[in-house]
Amino acid sequence: DIVMTQSPDSLAVSLGERATINCKSSQSVLYNSNNKNYLAWYQQKPGQPPKLLIYWASTRESGVPDRFSGSGSGTDFTLTISTLQAEDVAVYYCQQYYSTLLTFGGGTKVEIK
Amino acid sequence: QLQVQESGPGLVKPSETLSLTCSVSGGSMSSSSHYWGWIRQTPGKGLEWFGSISYTGSTLYNPSLKRRVTMSVDTSRNQFSLKLSSVTATDSALYYCARHRFSSTILRLWWFDPWGQGTLVTVSS
Repeated sequence: DIVMTQSPDSLAVSLGERATINCKSSQSVLYNSNNKNYLAWYQQKPGQPPKLLIYWASTRESGVPDRFSGSGSGTDFTLTISTLQAEDVAVYYCQQYYSTLLTFGGGTKVEIK
Repeated sequence: QLQVQESGPGLVKPSETLSLTCSVSGGSMSSSSHYWGWIRQTPGKGLEWFGSISYTGSTLYNPSLKRRVTMSVDTSRNQFSLKLSSVTATDSALYYCARHRFSSTILRLWWFDPWGQGTLVTVSS
């Protein structure tokens, strides 16, 4: 299994400031034949299901605000919220789809400081 | 806009079979670019993928759960279903269904979108 480890478990950021969430995979999720990283990010607000934010590590889903961005390659990835808004309070998850056994990170909770 | 919604009993007895159905609305299940998946969420294990099924009935299961999982699809009703046998208290969870992006070129499952609201299942006598 590819183990996805997120850090930190939680973080508190002031409104308008940057939030950075890390996700590390136990093996590379970069598919060499197409040079794509098989990684997605989701946002789960309280009482709601996860919502797809980003796929291919850096491609924003339609309708997702551009303050959300994904970066990284191989085993190390980052989700950045450039200017935190109140509605961004949520738990964020990464998911790898490189392996046929799909796995998720443990989640990072983002709160307002 | 396509939506999915889970339904099923909220309480199941230990050793029995958990049965859930997911209803798809606002679109067709008959897409070669998608499978239809089940994921559960618990405080202890987080998000765990069960498996996914195509509109033709092809399945891909999580190997650790495969022995107890059966999925089926009914495109005439725009529904797909999950059965989990021999449940124990550790199967208590919030169960989600979701559309699962699929590559028919390389036969691989990718990301989930959208997800249902989830249904809480408790295993208890």
